[in-house]
Amino acid sequence: EDQVTQSPEALRLQEGESSSLNCSYTVSGLRGLFWYRQDPGKGPEFLFTLYSAGEEKEKERLKATLTKKESFLHITAPKPEDSATYLCAVPGPNSGGSNYKLTFGKGTLLTVNP
Amino acid sequence: EAGVAQSPRYKIIEKRQSVAFWCNPISGHATLYWYQQILGQGPKLLIQFQNNGVVDDSQLPKDRFSAERLKGVDSTLKIQPAKLEDSAVYLCASSSPGQITDTQYFGPGTRLTVL
Repeated sequence: EDQVTQSPEALRLQEGESSSLNCSYTVSGLRGLFWYRQDPGKGPEFLFTLYSAGEEKEKERLKATLTKKESFLHITAPKPEDSATYLCAVPGPNSGGSNYKLTFGKGTLLTVNP
Repeated sequence: EAGVAQSPRYKIIEKRQSVAFWCNPISGHATLYWYQQILGQGPKLLIQFQNNGVVDDSQLPKDRFSAERLKGVDSTLKIQPAKLEDSAVYLCASSSPGQITDTQYFGPGTRLTVL
């Protein structure tokens, strides 16, 4: 069974204080790894997809990296508007359709204080 | 491009009552998902449709939950009768079946409170 574990559960940073969030996974065969951002009262918003170990993607102050066992979401010089819950997810297992369901971790609640 | 639409946004009911949620996916997206997100947890798949057929409903509590997707577009999820533990946010997502790992786009969710 696919498993996704995120750490820490909560992280409080000062504005400008860089840090990283971790997502470790156990899957039968990696088909990709997704990062989403979720604001209170809203649905998850897509950030990145990573497909292979060594891959990196960036968006503004966020950079996602992938190894064979885990993914990191690096936040450089965060601002208060980066405060949200960050979710990672892996696709699968497949039940016969053209698209895979997502198995999510519990998320990391990031708070950035001004 | 319009996103995934859901209604209502909030619903409060008594236990043993019934409730229904509606979802309209992004135009052209053949795959539709319903997820349940309990406070402090990540979303968990309840049911996955491709067009109007069910692909995966292995985690749907079929004694009380039902879902349909008529005409392969919008979908409804029903709970009857509701239990206290059904209090959660119900998220609808859609994706285009171009690749198996196509991005899923989520709606705003319906927050259900069962008293």
